[in-house]
Amino acid sequence: AQSVSQHNHHVILSEAASLELGCNYSYGGTVNLFWYVQYPGQHLQLLLKYFSGDPLVKGIKGFEAEFIKSKFSFNLRKPSVQWSDTAEYFCAVNVWNSGYALNFGKGTSLLVTP
Amino acid sequence: ETGVTQTPRHLVMGMTNKKSLKCEQHLGHNAMYWYKQSAKKPLELMFVYSLEERVENNSVPSRFSPECPNSSHLFLHLHTLQPEDSALYLCASSQSGGDYGYTFGSGTRLTVV
Repeated sequence: AQSVSQHNHHVILSEAASLELGCNYSYGGTVNLFWYVQYPGQHLQLLLKYFSGDPLVKGIKGFEAEFIKSKFSFNLRKPSVQWSDTAEYFCAVNVWNSGYALNFGKGTSLLVTP
Repeated sequence: ETGVTQTPRHLVMGMTNKKSLKCEQHLGHNAMYWYKQSAKKPLELMFVYSLEERVENNSVPSRFSPECPNSSHLFLHLHTLQPEDSALYLCASSQSGGDYGYTFGSGTRLTVV
């Protein structure tokens, strides 16, 4: 079945640690890939997106993600996390046969401790 | 505000009630979506409207009924819901195809008692 998989459901890091959150998708054909963040009590916000071109994309707040087509992966990274990065992170794919709606992974809850 | 406004922010309803959720966007987008966000589950796509026509109904129970009267407004009509329908209901909009991104509202927190 077509899906988006996020491997880590809960991650706890200390401030200044490096972050990598995994995302794999199983859709064939051309896909557009996204990472969204949801801070406690807030709406979903776009961190970054990949449509085409350079597979290493940079987003807001120092986040970046690398699209590896051969691995069907789009992992999110940040070299040094801050306490304010505590949030829920969602990987998403939009596919043409779902009316271009976003299909989300289950999300990863990140807790950054001081 | 994100440009996508959802009302009400919170709703408590009994299982025999009928209520409606409203979503409004003035971003010039021509596609709108309803998602359900439950604890420990991925965001579930419920309905997709593109150019005011329903494109996708993701096997949602008939107790949820969407309506899209124009490209700026989207409703979700609720009737005879179950307690397991309690969740955060999110509305989103985009240009058809999503090439320019998606904008989400803050959601309606629904509790069915």
